[in-house]
Amino acid sequence: DQQVKQNSPSLSVQEGRISILNCDYTNSMFDYFLWYKKYPAEGPTFLISISSIKDKNEDGRFTVFLNKSAKHLSLHIVPSQPGDSAVYFCAASGGKTSYDKVIFGPGTSLSVIP
Amino acid sequence: GAVVSQHPSRVICKSGTSVKIECRSLDFQATTMFWYRQFPKQSLMLMATSNEGSKATYEQGVEKDKFLINHASLTLSTLTVTSAHPEDSSFYICSARDPRKGNSPLHFGNGTRLTVT
Repeated sequence: DQQVKQNSPSLSVQEGRISILNCDYTNSMFDYFLWYKKYPAEGPTFLISISSIKDKNEDGRFTVFLNKSAKHLSLHIVPSQPGDSAVYFCAASGGKTSYDKVIFGPGTSLSVIP
Repeated sequence: GAVVSQHPSRVICKSGTSVKIECRSLDFQATTMFWYRQFPKQSLMLMATSNEGSKATYEQGVEKDKFLINHASLTLSTLTVTSAHPEDSSFYICSARDPRKGNSPLHFGNGTRLTVT
């Protein structure tokens, strides 16, 4: 049973426009959500996170929105740049300890077209 | 800069041999490290949690005798794929959190591409 879902396996966006990547989760115990970016043959790189006490977190061109009632979060990238082309993983963890297991979604491959 | 280092980045081995992958936390001590595996075009699947000074905790469906984990020091965890077979070919990635930073995100190594021929 997939606890973190990313229903769009791929997304293409024109350079300069907004990229919106979506993520849904099923486990109501999750209280910390993260987005990672991954290039082929490399480990994931942390982008941005949000805790369940917030509904928005912004860092430069990246904004994550959390809708707890809908168990949905999204990552907005604006303006999109060709260097943003990568696979984006949504991830979630729950509980209060520092060593929670992080569950990853299947990823969305973003292509930003120059 | 990188906070988690993984070695080797790529390894090719023959079927039946064993391969060891190292994961190091570079500027912090990690009592816990996590080992993930990624199949082509799929998500990262947590294999096991490596605990310093005690046994690793394996996820359901992961063979502990096949994937031996040793966390002998606060900065090093190793994953040994024993008696490797072609179906073990995959991308293995380790990760750790900096415990000095509260609920900090996982930092990942650059992964190891294992190919078993």
